[in-house]
Amino acid sequence: DIQMTQSPSSLSASVGDRVTITCRASQSISSFLNWYQQKPGKAPKLLIYAASSLQTGVPSRFSGSGSGTDFTLTISSLQPEDFATYYCQQSYSTPFTFGPGTKVDIK
Amino acid sequence: EVQLVESGGGLVQPGGSLRLSCVASGFTFNSYWMHWVHQAPGKGLVWVSRINSDGSSTDYADSVKGRFTISRDNAKNTLYLQMNSLRAEDTAVYYCARDAYSFGATDYWGQGTLVTVSS
Repeated sequence: DIQMTQSPSSLSASVGDRVTITCRASQSISSFLNWYQQKPGKAPKLLIYAASSLQTGVPSRFSGSGSGTDFTLTISSLQPEDFATYYCQQSYSTPFTFGPGTKVDIK
Repeated sequence: EVQLVESGGGLVQPGGSLRLSCVASGFTFNSYWMHWVHQAPGKGLVWVSRINSDGSSTDYADSVKGRFTISRDNAKNTLYLQMNSLRAEDTAVYYCARDAYSFGATDYWGQGTLVTVSS
């Protein structure tokens, strides 16, 4: 199975900050990498698919990059509604493993 | 409006069975692959299973293989997860989700149904 890691596991940031979250796969997954946002008590929301494609309706301050084993989610200017937990997921091969999550909270 | 509504969760004893259902509306259900994902209380997301649009192909996480069965009834716009030989570690909220592009990325999720395995 492909293992996914994320760093950091948590971070504190202020509104307006640029935030970067890293995801690494245990083997190459080409661009089969997705990013989700989850708020407490809610279902996850798809932000980015295929490593860099912005899901319809998601603000352009979110962006994704990378291929192979190393990927990045960037929030260009953190907004109050962005405080949440972020998960990466590989969809290169089943089982479609998720990373452990990165919790973004208010500094 | 796309909606996914899960049901069937509850309290079950170890070794017991449950069948989860997910009723879909607002889109052409028989055109989409579907997934189940679970999340234990306070923990991260775990992919469980997926099924293709006509139900002829399925995949499972190793932890549920041989115990869980995913299926669908396209005439009823309903996805199922039959869960047998349940263990304490299966305790979680179970979400059904729509595969956006047959790529593995899931764009719509239900609200989840809680399964608790305990004696």
